[in-house]
Amino acid sequence: QSALTQPPSASGSPGQSVTISCTGTSSDVGGYNYVSWYQQHPGKAPKLMIYEVSKRPSGVPDRFSGSKSGNTASLTVSGLQVEDEANYYCTSFAGSKYWVFGGGTKLTVL
Amino acid sequence: EVQLVESGGGLVQPGGSLRLSCAASGFTFSGSWMRWARQTPGKGLEWVADIKSDGSEKNYVDSVKGRFTISRDNAKNSLFLQMNSLRAEDTAVYYCARGWYWALDIWGQGTMVTVSS
Repeated sequence: QSALTQPPSASGSPGQSVTISCTGTSSDVGGYNYVSWYQQHPGKAPKLMIYEVSKRPSGVPDRFSGSKSGNTASLTVSGLQVEDEANYYCTSFAGSKYWVFGGGTKLTVL
Repeated sequence: EVQLVESGGGLVQPGGSLRLSCAASGFTFSGSWMRWARQTPGKGLEWVADIKSDGSEKNYVDSVKGRFTISRDNAKNSLFLQMNSLRAEDTAVYYCARGWYWALDIWGQGTMVTVSS
């Protein structure tokens, strides 16, 4: 069982928006602004999409955005495109030098 | 080109040992925190260990403490993970990754470790 809780699946049609949640506790998500999100296509390595809750690395489309409220972080993908179909994982610093991941959400673009 | 390339994975019997390597190129390896993470179909992604840029600080997930050792050779731009007393539950794809702004911005392609008799 993963430390952070994500919905196993999410879906949307091209052009729509979808939000994926990542729920932790006050010891991880709620306690630090060190939540990051990763996109992983089958058979590939994870790719960083969002860091420090809401910042986008260079090269990541601004269709991807992150936010946090209390113990829940969220990733929103706007203007869904076919290539956005992938698994998405959140992770958070959890103090005492530890890091925790979510179980992953499979995003399907219908 | 910025990249990380893992090697050293394979099939090992329970109780055995394996040493993973990660070769870095295209960035200042000696200035970066580095991390090992693993991924299994059942448990998803899991942080395993990390090491400070100069090797002076190392951290481990509880399940591998006392069995795994992370190390680095900055002169050779290389990261290592020595895995001893391997268990079936250590079976996973192991990734090395670069720490950047409290995230991981560069990942290797992964190396598969299978612990089975």
